[in-house]
Amino acid sequence: AQKVTQAQTEISVVEKEDVTLDCVYETRDTTYYLFWYKQPPSGELVFLIRRNSFDEQNEISGRYSWNFQKSTSSFNFTITASQVVDSAVYFCALSEEGGKLIFGQGTELSVKP
Amino acid sequence: DVKVTQSSRYLVKRTGEKVFLECVQDMDHENMFWYRQDPGLGLRLIYFSYDVKMKEKGDIPEGYSVSREKKERFSLILESASTNQTSMYLCASSFGASGGADTQYFGPGTRLTVL
Repeated sequence: AQKVTQAQTEISVVEKEDVTLDCVYETRDTTYYLFWYKQPPSGELVFLIRRNSFDEQNEISGRYSWNFQKSTSSFNFTITASQVVDSAVYFCALSEEGGKLIFGQGTELSVKP
Repeated sequence: DVKVTQSSRYLVKRTGEKVFLECVQDMDHENMFWYRQDPGLGLRLIYFSYDVKMKEKGDIPEGYSVSREKKERFSLILESASTNQTSMYLCASSFGASGGADTQYFGPGTRLTVL
């Protein structure tokens, strides 16, 4: 069955620390997409990244980076030099047939000043 | 920018009431989705739609129905609200290119409380 696991329910760090959010997935598909979304306290999910299963290159966008490893079925997200504004719930998601997404349970990140 | 709006941010209803949650997107997207979000459970798909007047059940459709009379609007209906439907409801839309896996864009959510 398709599944996304975010084992870390809550993470608390101090500002300027680096933090990695883990995402492990299970899928039968040979072609699939992985996503990360951020949900700040306001509630709206904000799209961060979409990754094709054929593209295993790491991605960097400012302080954000993503490590995709097909061998371990993981798509981890690292925030470098975290800031208070990074405090949010982060969701990892996996594409499913028909354009649907399967979401992990989410990781609540708290960045303290 | 994609804009998905939901009719209410907060809603309080009584048990047994019929509740309508409205969602509108302005990007001519084919696909629209309704999720509910509960602590520890992530987002769970209630219903989705690939086109006008089309609907498909998601993982937890019981107690809900939907309506899509126009491409830009997707309504979630609670026929007879119950306290276990107290939740955050999120609407999303995506372009709908063949092959799926388009990025979904979300509205701000409606926090529904059923008393």
